[in-house]
Amino acid sequence: GQQVMQIPQYQHVQEGEDFTTYCNSSTTLSNIQWYKQRPGGHPVFLIQLVKSGEVKKQKRLTFQFGEAKKNSSLHITATQTTDVGTYFCAGMDSNYQLIWGAGTKLIIKP
Amino acid sequence: SAVISQKPSRDICQRGTSLTIQCQVDSQVTMMFWYRQQPGQSLTLIATANQGSEATYESGFVIDKFPISRPNLTFSTLTVSNMSPEDSSIYLCSVSWRGGEETQYFGPGTRLLVL
Repeated sequence: GQQVMQIPQYQHVQEGEDFTTYCNSSTTLSNIQWYKQRPGGHPVFLIQLVKSGEVKKQKRLTFQFGEAKKNSSLHITATQTTDVGTYFCAGMDSNYQLIWGAGTKLIIKP
Repeated sequence: SAVISQKPSRDICQRGTSLTIQCQVDSQVTMMFWYRQQPGQSLTLIATANQGSEATYESGFVIDKFPISRPNLTFSTLTVSNMSPEDSSIYLCSVSWRGGEETQYFGPGTRLLVL
């Protein structure tokens, strides 16, 4: 079946360092969505990318959607403690089903 | 967006019993979903709750184990039946609007521990 692979599973960074997570789909997606889940919380929608090659920014977060609409990335510049959590990508297929990545857990080293 | 509440927020249950989880939204929504999330894992879709008809279950989930109701456009229930320790998990409801952005908004979740 359709899969969305997300890497890495974990990323440990010093506060102030950058963080990137990548998602790759086996098939072309209608759109890709990104969610953040804080420890003990529920997933919260961050952004949706629809167009091929689309790039969107939210302050220190940059989201990209690949030209083939199969891959996506989230980059956080100069991480802060408030960025801690797990970041999930979720690709929407042609049947309006969301296919979730495994998530990347951002851990800030003390 | 929408304000979504779930009850109970957490529960500890004995094996063999059943628990019904409620999901209430503050506005009418097109789609309501039920997910399961094991600690440290991704989200697994259990079913889509359809208003006025039977839910649509994903592979590996059956109605006898996870009966779902959706009597109107703002409310749904998920029952976890004949529970075993393997059912210990977080259960999340989410909502979206077909024809719009179709992003999903999640309730706070129900943390279930089965002993």
